[in-house]
Amino acid sequence: GAVVSQHPSWVICKSGTSVKIECRSLDFQATTMFWYRQFPKQSLMLMATSNEGSKATYEQGVEKDKFLINHASLTLSTLTVTSAHPEDSSFYICSAAAGTDNSPLHFGNGTRLTVT
Amino acid sequence: GQNIDQPTEMTATEGAIVQINCTYQTSGFNGLFWYQQHAGEAPTFLSYNVLDGLEEKGRFSSFLSRSKGYSYLLLKELQMKDSASYLCAVLDSNYQLIWGAGTKLIIKP
Repeated sequence: GAVVSQHPSWVICKSGTSVKIECRSLDFQATTMFWYRQFPKQSLMLMATSNEGSKATYEQGVEKDKFLINHASLTLSTLTVTSAHPEDSSFYICSAAAGTDNSPLHFGNGTRLTVT
Repeated sequence: GQNIDQPTEMTATEGAIVQINCTYQTSGFNGLFWYQQHAGEAPTFLSYNVLDGLEEKGRFSSFLSRSKGYSYLLLKELQMKDSASYLCAVLDSNYQLIWGAGTKLIIKP
């Protein structure tokens, strides 16, 4: 089945530094990937939709200059958290659908970010 | 606005059956998904319904009634490993996925 790989699984960084998270579709091409954020005991919150070859579409309230998304190829999207602060500590998950608009999402394993 | 409701938490006994309900009010409908999410892990796909009726897949079944804006996930022969959160998500007319808050299912021996 379709596999999405996300790296790293966890990262600890100091406040003010930047962190890059990679999301790869291993056995299918994904023109669209989605980045979610999840706080403890809460549901998924869509941050942005990453479109291959064009700018990402950010959800309301998500700072595009802080959460940089690059989708340079059909199999790779990256999320960079710039100038991270402790409040950015969260579980970040990417996903992609292999197929049409109503295909199920396949999720990466998530990245647990802790900013100290 | 768009809204998806599902119970916050449910408790069931190992070996029993549990039904997790989901009601939705969205702008258009292009299908409903159920995902399972274990604590600290990413969600995994369970089922997809776009037509009315029951879809059975092993111990898990999912039902949809579009006229009632209602779905349920039925889990049979519950096992301890089924303890997880179950997320209901609806694809609206723009193919945007609207997520419910999830139902935490606790299985007791």
